[in-house]
Amino acid sequence: GENVEQHPSTLSVQEGDSAVIKCTYSDSASNYFPWYKQELGKRPQLIIDIRSNVGEKKDQRIAVTLNKTAKHFSLHITETQPEDSAVYFCAAPYEGDDKIIFGKGTRLHILP
Amino acid sequence: KAGVTQTPRYLIKTRGQQVTLSCSPISGHRSVSWYQQTPGQGLQFLFEYFSETQRNKGNFPGRFSGRQFSNSRSEMNVSTLELGDSALYLCASSSDPVGGTEAFFGQGTRLTVV
Repeated sequence: GENVEQHPSTLSVQEGDSAVIKCTYSDSASNYFPWYKQELGKRPQLIIDIRSNVGEKKDQRIAVTLNKTAKHFSLHITETQPEDSAVYFCAAPYEGDDKIIFGKGTRLHILP
Repeated sequence: KAGVTQTPRYLIKTRGQQVTLSCSPISGHRSVSWYQQTPGQGLQFLFEYFSETQRNKGNFPGRFSGRQFSNSRSEMNVSTLELGDSALYLCASSSDPVGGTEAFFGQGTRLTVV
């Protein structure tokens, strides 16, 4: 069925360490994989996305990797900072490009 | 460029009533999609409108409906409200269908059903 599994649901890391969030999807035709960050009381905002024609994309301290064969994609945040504390959502399209399914979110806590 | 605007920001309704939420997308965006956000279920896709046509919908009952006008503004309607409909309702606009490009979210309408 239409589903995007996201793990873990909660993640606590020491400031300066790395954080990794993983997602799996079910629609083999999916070809666009965005990640959104939602800070407390604010709207979700795109932080990085990847298309199926590449395996990895980086933007400063964040990177996303995609394994189309295994239907996995992951968000990597290096040198974490207090402002990285937020809920992160992965997403994948389903049934073409006019429907998008979100994972249930990962609450990331950066510990001082 | 103005962002996505949702009105009203807060609503309190009683069971059985109906409600209409409004979303004004970024100028030039033709896609508006709607989501229900709850603490336990995350962001759930309700439907997407593109050039005034509903292109796809999520697994919600028929009480949830919407429409899009020629200026791309969209409304979402929920009839016969239930307590479980209490949630933050977010809309997002995008230049192309939402499954292929960045979605810009509004600040949401928080609906409380009592």
